[in-house]
Amino acid sequence: DTGVSQNPRHKITKRGQNVTFRCDPISEHNRLYWYRQTLGQGPEFLTYFQNEAQLEKSRLLSDRFSAERPKGSFSTLEIQRTEQGDSAMYLCASSLGTGIQPQHFGDGTRLSIL
Amino acid sequence: SQQGEEDPQALSIQEGENATMNCSYKTSINNLQWYRQNSGRGLVHLILIRSNEREKHSGRLRVTLDTSKKSSSLLITASRAADTASYFCATDAYTGFQKLVFGTGTRLLVSP
Repeated sequence: DTGVSQNPRHKITKRGQNVTFRCDPISEHNRLYWYRQTLGQGPEFLTYFQNEAQLEKSRLLSDRFSAERPKGSFSTLEIQRTEQGDSAMYLCASSLGTGIQPQHFGDGTRLSIL
Repeated sequence: SQQGEEDPQALSIQEGENATMNCSYKTSINNLQWYRQNSGRGLVHLILIRSNEREKHSGRLRVTLDTSKKSSSLLITASRAADTASYFCATDAYTGFQKLVFGTGTRLLVSP
């Protein structure tokens, strides 16, 4: 169990640029989640994958956001035309695919928009 | 949006003391989970309690759940400096998949 890995750990970009984050889940986990966390708040659910299928998206995930999980392994989260309000920590989590399971989180990607 | 509120928002204690954090939520749940987050890091799962359970223990952790009051508490006994972190409760309605809805968190500081 090497844990959930997220890259990059930090991303600083100018408003209007596109950014992409990567998440590598624990290898045997077929559920994958993305969350967004702003300072002083708890994480907020963005989207969920079961294998390669994106089964749920939050209203927080505007049309500037897109997430993929090709082949049901790693996942990417892309934000197009970034805005100041996108500044946050983006967390990825994975879990086993049967029943009620704890989620295992990566250390996140902190996005700062200049 | 956050599901619930945690109380207190911040807690400062000495090593060896017990720490109690409370979580209130708004809607029906299948289970409730507690997570710890060290500064700048991801969340670590601590304990899961199902809606038909009232109390659960794991090491120095004790969690209670009162579904009639829509509340839960996390007790950490004999706290250590290493317990310094933010603690979040997360509710899960489990509508076919686990969609965790987190509270606002309690920041715990344990001083040596």
